[in-house]
Amino acid sequence: EPEVTQTPSHQVTQMGQEVILRCVPISNHLYFYWYRQILGQKVEFLVSFYNNEISEKSEIFDDQFSVERPDGSNFTLKIRSTKLEDSAMYFCASSMSGTGELFFGEGSRLTVL
Amino acid sequence: GIQVEQSPPDLILQEGANSTLRCNFSDSVNNLQWFHQNPWGQLINLFYIPSGTKQNGRLSATTVATERYSLLYISSSQTTDSGVYFCAVERSDDMRFGAGTRLTVKP
Repeated sequence: EPEVTQTPSHQVTQMGQEVILRCVPISNHLYFYWYRQILGQKVEFLVSFYNNEISEKSEIFDDQFSVERPDGSNFTLKIRSTKLEDSAMYFCASSMSGTGELFFGEGSRLTVL
Repeated sequence: GIQVEQSPPDLILQEGANSTLRCNFSDSVNNLQWFHQNPWGQLINLFYIPSGTKQNGRLSATTVATERYSLLYISSSQTTDSGVYFCAVERSDDMRFGAGTRLTVKP
């Protein structure tokens, strides 16, 4: 069964460092998303991406964040200068259509020290 | 933005018991999904159910879109059902999650 894959599963970084989280969405999906979940809290929407551009983003997704689909298969989330409060589980998701079922990856746990 | 409320926030059951989890949302939606987050943090798709009723084994879900709620039923609960159950709804291009129901099933 096709699935969304994410790497790394866990990353530890120092405050101020750049981090890139990678996702390979399901191959025939057209809509891509990043969500995050701070430990013990609910899952929060960060950004949606369609047709090689951001279609919607939340207030969390500030100038420190960027997304890219560099090669037609990977979908990346970059955090330019990490802060302690960026520590969270980051989930990538994809769907066939804008209102269709979302399929989530297993998450990348980011720990900022 | 759309508000999603889940109840109860916490639920403790004895193995074998049945339960109903509720999700209320504040506006019409195009998509509603139920997820189970397991102890390893993975989000497992349970149901894609913008309306109607679906069943999958011991789990079933019903969404009444006109009344803006969805219910997740768990029958004959097992310890492996423990975890957090999230309802998530989508109106435009972003899916919003509720705060979840933390279910603990005791042997």
